[in-house]
Amino acid sequence: QLQLQESGPGLVKPSETLSLTCTVSGGSISSSSYYWGWIRQPPGKGLEWIGSIYYSGSTYTPSLKSRVTISVDTSKNQFSLKVNSVTAADTAVYYCARSVTTSTFDYWGQGTLVTVSS
Amino acid sequence: EIVLTQSPGTLSLSPGERATLSCRASQSVTSSYLAWYQQKPGQAPRLLIYGASSRATGIPDRFSGSGSGTDFTLTISRLEPEDFAVYSCQQYGSSPLTFGGGTKVEIK
Repeated sequence: QLQLQESGPGLVKPSETLSLTCTVSGGSISSSSYYWGWIRQPPGKGLEWIGSIYYSGSTYTPSLKSRVTISVDTSKNQFSLKVNSVTAADTAVYYCARSVTTSTFDYWGQGTLVTVSS
Repeated sequence: EIVLTQSPGTLSLSPGERATLSCRASQSVTSSYLAWYQQKPGQAPRLLIYGASSRATGIPDRFSGSGSGTDFTLTISRLEPEDFAVYSCQQYGSSPLTFGGGTKVEIK
């Protein structure tokens, strides 16, 4: 059974960098069949796709593209998210998830709340 | 970017009743690439429907999806106690992927 688990600081100061890691177990992150993505959900609001990484590249939502980097570490079966220059608007529950190309997300992590505050 | 608008915001129903949720897109969704998710408090979303009308693995047949173009519907034929949750639609026909704001189905 595939499992995903997010990890990282729950509190980040404004203007700093938010960094999260997603550890994948029960399957290989190196498979060319899947994309690995990040989605966030501000408190009381809807879901927002941040971006996804796959075997030959990455793709991001335009509104965050200038501040976001998603990378993969196949040796650890992990992928990571960095968001630069964060503000209070980046406060959200951050989920990592798997998709078949950029489509639907069939496996999700439990989510981790990141609060941006001084 | 395709904007998805869900209605109503909240649906108050009793167990056993039928729920009809709407998702309207700001432009046509390519090839009916529209999905529905269920989310309970403190949990990650769960994929229910993809391709507008195909149920994901293990999803009961009381859940059904329909629609095309810009108008899509999720129907729960008879609400079970475990179905009270927030439902979100997602389009994956064009980039960026986008989600609707969600419809909360609550117990009346």
